[in-house]
Amino acid sequence: EAGVVQSPRYKIIEKKQPVAFWCNPISGHNTLYWYLQNLGQGPELLIRYENEEAVDDSQLPKDRFSAERLKGVDSTLKIQPAELGDSAVYLCASSLVGGSYEQYFGPGTRLTVT
Amino acid sequence: AQRVTQPEKLLSVFKGAPVELKCNYSYSGSPELFWYVQYSRQRLQLLLRHISRESIKGFTADLNKGETSFHLKKPFAQEEDSAMYYCALKTSYDKVIFGPGTSLSVIP
Repeated sequence: EAGVVQSPRYKIIEKKQPVAFWCNPISGHNTLYWYLQNLGQGPELLIRYENEEAVDDSQLPKDRFSAERLKGVDSTLKIQPAELGDSAVYLCASSLVGGSYEQYFGPGTRLTVT
Repeated sequence: AQRVTQPEKLLSVFKGAPVELKCNYSYSGSPELFWYVQYSRQRLQLLLRHISRESIKGFTADLNKGETSFHLKKPFAQEEDSAMYYCALKTSYDKVIFGPGTSLSVIP
């Protein structure tokens, strides 16, 4: 079992460019999370999916961020256009049900916006 | 407001000494608390949760609702305990809120 897979692991882009991150959760996990982690901070939830439905996207900056989880498996998080302040680690996690169950995290994607 | 605070960003202890990582939370409902750990070059992973009342790798944590705390303790620190530790709160809406983390360094 590979665990939660994320790609790319690192991404460097210029500001105003678009960027996309991909996540493949653990097989059978119906809940998927995208977190933002700034340096020296804990993960902050961007969006939570239960199967295909985004059940909590209250912290997702919808003017530039978008996410989708087609067929309730893989998910993609997109930023367009990227800003300097978006430089951070983007973490994907999955779990069997909601937050009561252990969340399994991916390795993260480190984004640098120049 | 729902919040998790970890007052120490860095904590250094000598090997064999007791260690306590502090966590306080703010939540009006019935909380579920967790400790997650990230070892160097590894993924964030669950260490323990308060509902299990278990000891993992010698660590324990007791939920104190009166003091709204969930401190992580270990009587004798080991070098392999050096890591980043995050306290997390689950709300009744299944939202998980992480604290800012404490970096534990165990000195040989």
